[in-house]
Amino acid sequence: NAGVTQTPKFRVLKTGQSMTLLCAQDMNHEYMYWYRQDPGMGLRLIHYSVGEGTTAKGEVPDGYNVSRLKKQNFLLGLESAAPSQTSVYFCASSFPPARGGKNIQYFGAGTRLSVL
Amino acid sequence: GQQVMQIPQYQHVQEGEDFTTYCNSSTTLSNIQWYKQRPGGHPVFLIQLVKSGEVKKQKRLTFQFGEAKKNSSLHITATQTTDVGTYFCAGPDGGSNYKLTFGKGTLLTVNP
Repeated sequence: NAGVTQTPKFRVLKTGQSMTLLCAQDMNHEYMYWYRQDPGMGLRLIHYSVGEGTTAKGEVPDGYNVSRLKKQNFLLGLESAAPSQTSVYFCASSFPPARGGKNIQYFGAGTRLSVL
Repeated sequence: GQQVMQIPQYQHVQEGEDFTTYCNSSTTLSNIQWYKQRPGGHPVFLIQLVKSGEVKKQKRLTFQFGEAKKNSSLHITATQTTDVGTYFCAGPDGGSNYKLTFGKGTLLTVNP
């Protein structure tokens, strides 16, 4: 059971380049999330999805787009990378509380992104 | 919006000493969760507290949820080097059932 898998693990981009981060979960979770983690800032929610085909903005959505075409996958896109987007990105997934999941979030190993 | 604050931001202890981190919410929480992130790792769920005044123990870790359900604490007795990491509390965002607001975390380092 792989849980939550993120690819790639590391990436270096130049300013203005684009890229897509992939998150895949094999736990049949409805909810999926993208966070960024910066020193001293904790985990900040970028976008989230409560089901296949749905997405919503979180706390810091600017400069990012997401898609959830399949239940098990949640993609995070950077259209034109900026140095301010240098961060560690975590994907997470959970069952909704209605299914007894208590919204306990399971995190992937993270993607370390540097934008030069 | 809802804020979840944690103190201290950093704590360095000698192995064997106790450690406590505190979490305070600007609003009443239906529940609170605690996560641990090892250096270079990802957050891992530890526990969820739901009831007012609830106390739960996991070996040397004791978790408490305040009577008013606006604060929580994590206490580690006799720290070990394996306890090193950042401890986060998280509560439902604005009463949402699907979003969490995380505190900024407390980084614990342990000197052997």
